[in-house]
Amino acid sequence: GAVVSQHPSWVICKSGTSVKIECRSLDFQATTMFWYRQFPKQSLMLMATSNEGSKATYEQGVEKDKFLINHASLTLSTLTVTSAHPEDSSFYICSAEGGQGRYEQYFGPGTRLTVT
Amino acid sequence: QKEVEQNSGPLSVPEGAIASLNCTYSDRVSQSFFWYRQYSGKSPELIMSIYSNGDKEDGRFTAQLNKASQYVSLLIRDSQPSDSATYLCADMQGGKLIFGQGTELSVKP
Repeated sequence: GAVVSQHPSWVICKSGTSVKIECRSLDFQATTMFWYRQFPKQSLMLMATSNEGSKATYEQGVEKDKFLINHASLTLSTLTVTSAHPEDSSFYICSAEGGQGRYEQYFGPGTRLTVT
Repeated sequence: QKEVEQNSGPLSVPEGAIASLNCTYSDRVSQSFFWYRQYSGKSPELIMSIYSNGDKEDGRFTAQLNKASQYVSLLIRDSQPSDSATYLCADMQGGKLIFGQGTELSVKP
């Protein structure tokens, strides 16, 4: 139980284009979903928190117009990186809360984005 | 947000030994603590959650929480080379996980 999927697992795009990443909780309804990014050899950095049907809450320093988050249902959240630039290249990971554990977050496998 | 601190390592132990990973946190009101394992290039995987003082065991893993000392640890018994990974400690603050920097564990055959 408590499986989270992400799609795509990796993507290469050209500078200036937009990329959408999907995060799904497969066997539970996620009350809250989270989006992180991770650079090599660094810890996870929380980008935003989203609850189904409401606007995402972004962490300080994260541009909400650049990283669009939509939490359309209790099992699906999407992150769209708009007008991507090479510095947006990173490992993007979602997590979902609401499985069997009280506050446990279960992570998706991540999406590796490369912007050329 | 208040910090969660871990030694970055690397911590090297021989196969079959006990690996001891430690974490301290500064938020006195934190109630929920988590250990994640992250293999290189992969996303974190939840190993244990612990909410009460004392020990919690799950297979070869034991989490220990001491709220008075603001300390949480993870013991891995009979360490295997496949346990080699980065271990992330996290506490929950305001509905968000606050991660330590992670401890890199290397189990030598």
